[in-house]
Amino acid sequence: NAGVTQTPKFQVLKTGQSMTLQCAQDMNHEYMSWYRQDPGMGLRLIHYSVGAGITDQGEVPNGYNVSRSTTEDFPLRLLSAAPSQTSVYFCASTGARSQKLFFGSGTQLSVL
Amino acid sequence: QKEVEQDPGPLSVPEGAIVSLNCTYSNSAFQYFMWYRQYSRKGPELLMYTYSSGNKEDGRFTAQVDKSSKYISLFIRDSQPSDSATYLCAMSYNNNDMRFGAGTRLTVKP
Repeated sequence: NAGVTQTPKFQVLKTGQSMTLQCAQDMNHEYMSWYRQDPGMGLRLIHYSVGAGITDQGEVPNGYNVSRSTTEDFPLRLLSAAPSQTSVYFCASTGARSQKLFFGSGTQLSVL
Repeated sequence: QKEVEQDPGPLSVPEGAIVSLNCTYSNSAFQYFMWYRQYSRKGPELLMYTYSSGNKEDGRFTAQVDKSSKYISLFIRDSQPSDSATYLCAMSYNNNDMRFGAGTRLTVKP
């Protein structure tokens, strides 16, 4: 059982480039979310989804897009990367009415 | 002012000590309170979960919630070097929007 799988683990981008962070879960969880973790700021919610076809914004959504076409996958897109988006990104999932988030191992992103 | 405040530490204690970790919050609507443990270069893992006020104990770990003071605590008894990690408090008022503290880095020295 793989749990929550994130790819890539590391990525370096130049300002203005676009990329997609991948997230997949094999636990049939309805809820999936993306967080970024910055020193001194803790984890901040970017976007979340409560099911296929349903997404909503979190605390810091600007500069990021998401979609949820299947229960298993929840990709995060950076359309035009900025240095302020340098961070560690975590994908998480959980079942309906559960507070126990299962996290992936993270993607460390640097934007130069 | 952040919704959730947590002292980032670092906190260093000798093996066997009792550790106290704390968070304060400003949103009185929060009902679900969690503590996550995060080892270096790993994703957080749920350690304790409490609904509303009260205490919860699980082995060497005790979580306390005082909603009247907007204050939550995690106590670790007989701390071990394997407890060395960053501890994140988290809270929410629904299932969808969880707010995290900045995390406290704990080192337990043998």
